[in-house]
Amino acid sequence: SQKIEQNSEALNIQEGKTATLTCNYTNYSPAYLQWYRQDPGRGPVFLLLIRENEKEKRKERLKVTFDTTLKQSLFHITASQPADSATYLCAPPHTGRRALTFGSGTRLQVQP
Amino acid sequence: DAGVTQSPTHLIKTRGQQVTLRCSPKSGHDTVSWYQQALGQGPQFIFQYYEEEERQRGNFPDRFSGHQFPNYSSELNVNALLLGDSALYLCASSALAGANEQFFGPGTRLTVL
Repeated sequence: SQKIEQNSEALNIQEGKTATLTCNYTNYSPAYLQWYRQDPGRGPVFLLLIRENEKEKRKERLKVTFDTTLKQSLFHITASQPADSATYLCAPPHTGRRALTFGSGTRLQVQP
Repeated sequence: DAGVTQSPTHLIKTRGQQVTLRCSPKSGHDTVSWYQQALGQGPQFIFQYYEEEERQRGNFPDRFSGHQFPNYSSELNVNALLLGDSALYLCASSALAGANEQFFGPGTRLTVL
């Protein structure tokens, strides 16, 4: 069955540094992959979508890569700020359709 | 634009009861998906509605059912509640013809005692 793995341990970094979060998937070849941000007690918020034919996608301080050979996506936040502290979720489509399969998320804590 | 709205915000039920959760999609969206999120986990896909029909379903029992109305709003019904049904229930809307991103509501926190 499809499996999405994100580092369950929280990532603690210093303000101004680059945060890198990892998403690995198995038994799966998604046509695209999305990243969401979720704050405690709130619904996820869409950040970026990257398609299988795109190696890299950028939006302001965010960068996502998609390596279909390694079956891995990396999510980077440069010049991180305490306001970036949240849980970040990796989400390929659910069995190729419009619903999503989410990883368990990685909690990022940016220290001032 | 109010975005995706859900009601109620919180709900407490006892085992064996039935519950109905409601969702209004973002303006212009015709597809509604429901997710269950247990504490410390990512959202798990329950089912998706489009044109008032269930189009896809995740690995959830028949106790979970839904409905979509002509105005695209949706309901999630859960029968014979179990303690394990305690979770945050999220509704997400999207436009079938368009980008694949989903817009989530704030969720309904269901506690089963």
